[in-house]
Amino acid sequence: NAGVTQTPKFQVLKTGQSMTLQCAQDMNHEYMSWYRQDPGMGLRLIHYSVGAGITDQGEVPNGYNVSRSTTEDFPLRLLSAAPSQTSVYFCASSTPTSGRKEIQYFGPGTRLLVL
Amino acid sequence: GENVEQHPSTLSVQEGDSAVIKCTYSDSASNYFPWYKQELGKRPQLIIDIRSNVGEKKDQRIAVTLNKTAKHFSLHITETQPEDSAVYFCAASPAGTYKYIFGTGTRLKVLA
Repeated sequence: NAGVTQTPKFQVLKTGQSMTLQCAQDMNHEYMSWYRQDPGMGLRLIHYSVGAGITDQGEVPNGYNVSRSTTEDFPLRLLSAAPSQTSVYFCASSTPTSGRKEIQYFGPGTRLLVL
Repeated sequence: GENVEQHPSTLSVQEGDSAVIKCTYSDSASNYFPWYKQELGKRPQLIIDIRSNVGEKKDQRIAVTLNKTAKHFSLHITETQPEDSAVYFCAASPAGTYKYIFGTGTRLKVLA
């Protein structure tokens, strides 16, 4: 299993440009999440999904859109990039066992710079 | 919603000493508390977790304690080694959700 994969590894955007950060997992996990990591601020939840066709907002959803058309993929879209969105983005997945929470597996991250 | 505070933000210890990192959470309904270790340039990885029906859990040199009444949980690392140097994050997950709210992280430096 490849686990959780993310592309691209690094991206430079100009203010106002749009892009999609890709996330895929091959573990048949139901739950997927997107986080952003900024210095001194830990990991902040952007959006999450509890299954195909179901998404919800996290702590910092503004400026980001998500969709979940398949179990494997959970792309994150920036419609109009802003310098404040410069960050490292992590995707994570997990699955419950017998109704209990299980650990999250993180992808390798995407480093985004918005000029 | 849930809020998690983590202290200290940086911690330096001598090799062989113990390290303690503390977190508090606000939502008394949270029932799952994982700890993640993140090495420089790498992804976070789970090192230990605890559920609300347990007060303490230990795995070799790492232990986590939970005080539900005070809404505190702590990570204890004994006999620290240079390879323990990393950023550590605590998190809390409210019952009935699969949301994980993270603390702001502690940078641990183990001095040889």
